[in-house]
Amino acid sequence: DIQMTQSPSSLSASVGDRVTMTCRASQRISSFVNWYQQKPGKAPKLLIYASSNFQSGVPSRFSGSGSGTDFTLTISSLQPEDFAIYYCQQSYNVPWTFGQGTRVDI
Amino acid sequence: QVQLQESGPGLVKPSETLSLTCTVSGGSIRRYSWSWIRQSPGKGLEWIGYVSSSGDTKYTPSLESRVTISVDTSRNQFSLHLNSVTAADTAVYHCASAGVVGTAHYFDYWGQGRLVTVSS
Repeated sequence: DIQMTQSPSSLSASVGDRVTMTCRASQRISSFVNWYQQKPGKAPKLLIYASSNFQSGVPSRFSGSGSGTDFTLTISSLQPEDFAIYYCQQSYNVPWTFGQGTRVDI
Repeated sequence: QVQLQESGPGLVKPSETLSLTCTVSGGSIRRYSWSWIRQSPGKGLEWIGYVSSSGDTKYTPSLESRVTISVDTSRNQFSLHLNSVTAADTAVYHCASAGVVGTAHYFDYWGQGRLVTVSS
């Protein structure tokens, strides 16, 4: 199985901050990484697919980049509604696997 | 807008079979492949497997011997059966659609999740 390792596991930030989190795959996976946001009691919500493509309706302050083994999710100006847990997920190989998440706190 | 809703028992006894159904509305079940994903505090998000609209399946190896996912296109539903459950199978179970662009798959629509507890 491909292991996805996210860092940091948590971070504290303020409204308006630029926030960056990373995801590293245990092998090269081209651009087959998706990013999700999850709030308490809710299902994950797709933000970015195939490393850098926006899901419809996702604010432009979210962006993704990377290929190979290293991937990044950036929030350009953190908003109050962005405090959540963010997960990466690879779809290069079955079984599809997720990272352990990065919690963004105030 | 595609919507998914899980249904099924919230409590299952050890060694018995966990069975959940996902009902798809707002879209045809023939358009996507359909996955089950579970989430527990100890293991995070774990993809269980998928079924295509034609009935092809793929499962995660660690559960493959115990899991069956099937689709009923006439009812716009797909189902999960996990047998010989233990406390380690206690989790929130989500159903999700797997959209695809080229060969890139992603989970674009999710059900709200069904907490299933394994306990006697």
